[in-house]
Amino acid sequence: EDQVTQSPEALRLQEGESSSLNCSYTVSGLRGLFWYRQDPGKGPEFLFTLYSAGEEKEKERLKATLTKKESFLHITAPKPEDSATYLCAVLSYSGGGADGLTFGKGTHLIIQP
Amino acid sequence: DTAVSQTPKYLVTQMGNDKSIKCEQNLGHDTMYWYKQDSKKFLKIMFSYNNKELIINETVPNRFSPKSPDKAHLNLHINSLELGDSAVYFCASSSGTGQFFGPGTRLTVL
Repeated sequence: EDQVTQSPEALRLQEGESSSLNCSYTVSGLRGLFWYRQDPGKGPEFLFTLYSAGEEKEKERLKATLTKKESFLHITAPKPEDSATYLCAVLSYSGGGADGLTFGKGTHLIIQP
Repeated sequence: DTAVSQTPKYLVTQMGNDKSIKCEQNLGHDTMYWYKQDSKKFLKIMFSYNNKELIINETVPNRFSPKSPDKAHLNLHINSLELGDSAVYFCASSSGTGQFFGPGTRLTVL
């Protein structure tokens, strides 16, 4: 069974204070690792897909990296509008029970002005 | 030009009732999904549907049934609603490189 563990559960940073969120995973054959952002009362917003170890992707202040066991979401000089819950998910060849994504429980990020 | 839309946004109903949630995507994707997000914000796959092939997560009660009238729609029907069905339900669609989610439907069963 696929497993995704995110840490920390919650993180409070000052504006401009860079940090990283961790996503460790166990799958039998990774098809892709996904990062999403979710704001309160809204659906998850797609950020990145990573397919193989060593791959990196960037979008504004966010950079996602992937190894064979974990992924990091680096946030550089964050702003208050980066506050959200960040979700990590995997898609594997064994499926998530219905060929869907297996999600972690998320990291709730708060950026204080 | 909403990519994935759901109706209604909120649904409050009594235990034992039957209800439906509608989902539409205008992305031209081949695969659609239903996810459930519980009170602890944990997202879990319920169904995927691709070209008339339905794959069901074995943990989903058979009171839940997705129905797809065409490639752009995947509706969720729930029979005999129970208190534990209260959650936020998300529809999603995928072309293979990423899944795109709708805004969610908050279902409250009283």
